[in-house]
Amino acid sequence: AQSVTQLDSHVSVSEGTPVLLRCNYSSSYSPSLFWYVQHPNKGLQLLLKYTSAATLVKGINGFEAEFKKSETSFHLTKPSAHMSDAAEYFCVVSPPINTGNQFYFGTGTSLTVIP
Amino acid sequence: NAGVTQTPKFQVLKTGQSMTLQCAQDMNHEYMSWYRQDPGMGLRLIHYSVGAGITDQGEVPNGYNVSRSTTEDFPLRLLSAAPSQTSVYFCASRLGPLNYGYTFGSGTRLTVV
Repeated sequence: AQSVTQLDSHVSVSEGTPVLLRCNYSSSYSPSLFWYVQHPNKGLQLLLKYTSAATLVKGINGFEAEFKKSETSFHLTKPSAHMSDAAEYFCVVSPPINTGNQFYFGTGTSLTVIP
Repeated sequence: NAGVTQTPKFQVLKTGQSMTLQCAQDMNHEYMSWYRQDPGMGLRLIHYSVGAGITDQGEVPNGYNVSRSTTEDFPLRLLSAAPSQTSVYFCASRLGPLNYGYTFGSGTRLTVV
């Protein structure tokens, strides 16, 4: 069975401080992993994806995530938060070859950035 | 701009009415899906398609129909709207089965009264 757990439903950081959004996954295969961001009243936008190449993945807007197989984690980080980073973030797992619609979404982490 | 286009952005329906949510993509993506997003429940898959003429049910298909007559279009039909279908609906597409994430539309906010 496949599943995703986002360990924090809400995270608050001050502007300019680091961001850490945690994601653990459970998978019976070597997965593909994604992080999406959703700003208020907008659709989901792909931030980055891991597809079994480099374990440290760089995405848009200064975000990056590290795939740690031993810890079954794919945490999202950013060195310095910006006000525009305030949004909902979703971690997603899928098989590397996804012939159906086997995407498993986490329940989301709401990021608040305090000025 | 290339992407996934959803119309309308907002809609209010009365219970029992029917309507079609439109979704079109111009990226030649084979795979398309419809999700609904409700507070505290995340995204739930309604229907999906792996190519023109091929559709399948997702997690919450009841009360919805889809068809895929062309690669570009994937409309979602509400047969007889119910208040439980009040939600935000997202259409998404991806190129194929190999490691591709979804490109999402901007959503349709539907209220059924």
